[in-house]
Amino acid sequence: GPKVLQIPSHQIIDMGQMVTLNCDPVSNHLYFYWYKQILGQQMEFLVNFYNGKVMEKSKLFKDQFSVERPDGSYFTLKIQPTALEDSAVYFCASSLPNSGNTLYFGEGSRLIVV
Amino acid sequence: QQQVRQSPQSLTVWEGGTTVLTCSYEDSTFNYFPWYQQFPGEGPALLISILSVSDKKEDGRFTTFFNKREKKLSLHIIDSQPGDSATYFCAASNNAGAKLTFGGGTRLTVRP
Repeated sequence: GPKVLQIPSHQIIDMGQMVTLNCDPVSNHLYFYWYKQILGQQMEFLVNFYNGKVMEKSKLFKDQFSVERPDGSYFTLKIQPTALEDSAVYFCASSLPNSGNTLYFGEGSRLIVV
Repeated sequence: QQQVRQSPQSLTVWEGGTTVLTCSYEDSTFNYFPWYQQFPGEGPALLISILSVSDKKEDGRFTTFFNKREKKLSLHIIDSQPGDSATYFCAASNNAGAKLTFGGGTRLTVRP
């Protein structure tokens, strides 16, 4: 099936530093998402993105978070500065703009903030 | 406020048995309900989905039922296999491109 690729698969970073998580969505998809999952628990919505703009963001999407997709390249999630509570697995997803909103998820980027 | 509630949190069934997972939701504008399967260390993968205009959808051993009046849905797995052991998430959304709201997940273990 369609593949969403995420880079890096895991990263350990010092608290206060910046981290960028990269997502290569399915090629013809137009909607992009980031979700956060802690310890295999519930998938928590962070943000969705379409046509170069954030459509909706949750309260988990703090001011230190930002997303962009410059010139159709990677869809990125940047956290600057990182905090201990940002430790989680971050999943990128993408979808087509039609009803039956099937999201295709990547394998996740495990972030550990120490 | 939890928009999508899922039960049970964990479930163990014997190989060959039937697994039943349930979800309820609150937002009456939700019209698309997918079920995702997640194995440890992997991303969620779509298992089966249903639109609110239907009350049942079947795909092999997996069937999802939808009750609009009661705002409930369920996933039935017949002839459960050890390879079905995973975490299952129900989810809901109301528009193309809108966020999926996930339930809390059910960790299923199928014992041989």
